[in-house]
Amino acid sequence: EADIYQTPRYLVIGTGKKITLECSQTMGHDKMYWYQQDPGMELHLIHYSYGVNSTEKGDLSSESTVSRIRTEHFPLTLESARPSHTSQYLCASRNDRNTEAFFGQGTRLTVV
Amino acid sequence: AQSVTQLGSHVSVSEGALVLLRCNYSSSVPPYLFWYVQYPNQGLQLLLKYTSAATLVKGINGFEAEFKKSETSFHLTKPSAHMSDAAEYFCAVSDGIYGQNFVFGPGTRLSVLP
Repeated sequence: EADIYQTPRYLVIGTGKKITLECSQTMGHDKMYWYQQDPGMELHLIHYSYGVNSTEKGDLSSESTVSRIRTEHFPLTLESARPSHTSQYLCASRNDRNTEAFFGQGTRLTVV
Repeated sequence: AQSVTQLGSHVSVSEGALVLLRCNYSSSVPPYLFWYVQYPNQGLQLLLKYTSAATLVKGINGFEAEFKKSETSFHLTKPSAHMSDAAEYFCAVSDGIYGQNFVFGPGTRLSVLP
């Protein structure tokens, strides 16, 4: 069973606050991804990383930032949350020898 | 570049009926293809994958999919729908074992009627 964890699962936060969504995996995967998904809608890739100190922006423009200082950890930060950031954020990982991506349970963010 | 289309954003079937969810892809290289399922407020769970071995792939929960290169399709089927199959289903393509990213389709919501 895949071991990839996201915290928190649910978060309600006020406009202007800084938040960090955590994602950790214990599988030693090099590739990690962040997707944004509105309820019942498609997934949009917002950030990805191919390894330590590697980060790239995805297809969907996002005001968030990411870091990859350790293989197992890929946090996403919003410096100033806005209501438009309200969404579900999904983290995933994958390595070179496996072909599928493993997903965390997601963080549902609400900015009020 | 790869892309995925899923015909039908919402499919309804009766319990016990055949489930058919359609997926077509485009890829410039031999593709790896995946079906994922997502239950409400959950992440995505892998149902099955095609990685250039057998063209008919069996997955979890009684689902299977057939890779048809000539039709660039990877449709998902299940002979008999169960109420617990109601969920969102995503088809995805990767450009091979060294492919960097996945491309997901827009998803199909499956409803199962009693």
